[in-house]
Amino acid sequence: NAGVTQTPKFQVLKTGQSMTLQCAQDMNHNSMYWYRQDPGMGLRLIYYSASEGTTDKGEVPNGYNVSRLNKREFSLRLESAAPSQTSVYFCASGGVGEQYFGPGTRLTVT
Amino acid sequence: GQQLNQSPQSMFIQEGEDVSMNCTSSSIFNTWLWYKQDPGEGPVLLIALYKAGELTSNGRLTAQFGITRKDSFLNISASIPSDVGIYFCAGLNRNYGGSQGNLIFGKGTKLSVKP
Repeated sequence: NAGVTQTPKFQVLKTGQSMTLQCAQDMNHNSMYWYRQDPGMGLRLIYYSASEGTTDKGEVPNGYNVSRLNKREFSLRLESAAPSQTSVYFCASGGVGEQYFGPGTRLTVT
Repeated sequence: GQQLNQSPQSMFIQEGEDVSMNCTSSSIFNTWLWYKQDPGEGPVLLIALYKAGELTSNGRLTAQFGITRKDSFLNISASIPSDVGIYFCAGLNRNYGGSQGNLIFGKGTKLSVKP
């Protein structure tokens, strides 16, 4: 089992460009999550999906959209990237309680 | 919103020493989790705790769910160089964030070991 996979691993965008971060899990979990990690801020929840077909905002949703494509896949979209969105993005999946993280996407917006 | 206070923020220790870190909150949690993150990687789950007073071990790691449900502790015995990394605590309250309940993370304890 691969667990949680994320693509791409690195990305550089110019301000105003758009992109989609992809995430997939093979653990048959109902719930999936998107976090961002900034120095000194820990992990902050952007959006989550409790089950296929549902999505909800987390702590820092502004500037992002998500799609739960099916049970396995949960994507995060930046419609118009801003320098403040420079961060490391982690996808996670799990039940109510334990969460398992992917390797992350390091995004730089110039 | 809910917050977790994790301490210490960083620590340097000699190889072979024991390490202790903790997380405290003003809110009650139903579950406490401890993660380790290596540079350039995602957090890896080390230990999960589900009941107040619970003490759980994973090799040289031992974690406890505080009796008040507002704190948790992680101990690492006989540290080795590969223990280097950032350790995060996370708490879950099923009454927060709807029925889903979402994790609240501490800001991490950065562990550095001198070989």
